[in-house]
Amino acid sequence: AQTVTQSQPEMSVQEAETVTLSCTYDTSENNYYLFWYKQPPSRQMILVIRQEAYKQQNATENRFSVNFQKAAKSFSLKISDSQLGDTAMYFCAFMKPGGATNKLIFGTGTLLAVQP
Amino acid sequence: DAEITQSPRHKITETGRQVTLACHQTWNHNNMFWYRQDLGHGLRLIHYSYGVQDTNKGEVSDGYSVSRSNTEDLPLTLESAASSQTSVYFCASIETSVVSGANVLTFGAGSRLTVL
Repeated sequence: AQTVTQSQPEMSVQEAETVTLSCTYDTSENNYYLFWYKQPPSRQMILVIRQEAYKQQNATENRFSVNFQKAAKSFSLKISDSQLGDTAMYFCAFMKPGGATNKLIFGTGTLLAVQP
Repeated sequence: DAEITQSPRHKITETGRQVTLACHQTWNHNNMFWYRQDLGHGLRLIHYSYGVQDTNKGEVSDGYSVSRSNTEDLPLTLESAASSQTSVYFCASIETSVVSGANVLTFGAGSRLTVL
């Protein structure tokens, strides 16, 4: 079974600085998706970024980028120029795709606090 | 606009009562999921469905049941609520198209359940 591990329960960063959130996963699959979701105090789950395992290029969405190391099964999230609105719980997630068998497996989350 | 709605958003009940949390999506997605979110555990999969009349158990299914009589709805029932089921519950859905980069889980806003 697939597992996702986030080893940093809490992190703090100063506004405008850069922070990296760690995520490792375990799978025997070769094709899969990885995601970072953000959950602000409103509780809404918001997709931050997505990475397809078959793509070597790291995904980027504005200030958010990932460092995807497939061999090491590592998927870290880098937030550049941190903003107060980035304060949230961040979840790393794994999905094996494929029609009627996809489901998302989550890590335990990292609570990020951006300090003014 | 298509959406996924959960109700109620907040509920307080007593131990032993039957509780049903509703989930309704207008995306016409085949796959629907129920997760519970607890501090230190992230989001854990309770039940999921890949289509009408299909239901499957997730990793924490004991004490919960679901039914899928149509595409839009996947109600989650707690047959006899227990204090350990105090949690925030999220419903989600995804399209089951052939593997593509567009597969992203869409979440409802969550339902906070307190069992006294």
